[in-house]
Amino acid sequence: NAGVTQTPKFRILKIGQSMTLQCAQDMNHNYMYWYRQDPGMGLKLIYYSVGAGITDKGEVPNGYNVSRSTTEDFPLRLELAAPSQTSVYFCASTGTGGNEQFFGPGTRLTVL
Amino acid sequence: GEDVEQSLFLSVREGDSSVINCTYTDSSSTYLYWYKQEPGAGLQLLTYIFSNMDMKQDQRLTVLLNKKDKHLSLRIADTQTGDSAIYFCAENRGMNTGFQKLVFGTGTRLLVSP
Repeated sequence: NAGVTQTPKFRILKIGQSMTLQCAQDMNHNYMYWYRQDPGMGLKLIYYSVGAGITDKGEVPNGYNVSRSTTEDFPLRLELAAPSQTSVYFCASTGTGGNEQFFGPGTRLTVL
Repeated sequence: GEDVEQSLFLSVREGDSSVINCTYTDSSSTYLYWYKQEPGAGLQLLTYIFSNMDMKQDQRLTVLLNKKDKHLSLRIADTQTGDSAIYFCAENRGMNTGFQKLVFGTGTRLLVSP
């Protein structure tokens, strides 16, 4: 199993540009999550999904959108990038009845 | 308050024990976790403890939970230079297994010197 994969690893955006951060897992996990990690801080939950077709807001959803058309994929969309969205973004997943969140390697995003 | 709190930095010598502390906020949290993050990598689960336990030992790792004071600690015995990383505690405020509503601390950077 590849586990949780994320692309791209790094990206620089200009203010106002859009992009989609990709996340995929091959463990047939129902639950998927997007976090952001700002320098010197813990992770903050942006959005989560409890299954295909079902998503919900986390603690810091403003400026982001998600979709979950399949069990495997959970992309995160930034529509109008702002400098405040400069961060490292992590995707994670959990199986039903599981106690461990499996994390992807992260996407480092800089908005200039 | 709402935050899960950790001290920011800990420095130890190789072979010593390290103790990383955490104060959480929600007394109804079911599970509490310790994650390790190495530079440029995602988080890796080290260990977790169920809220009705006081202690859990896993090889060099010992987790102590004081539910009355909402205090969690991680002890690493015989600390090695490879243990240098950032350590996050997290509480699960979700109600079910599987779906986890994790709230993370700010992380403790552990530096192990030879």
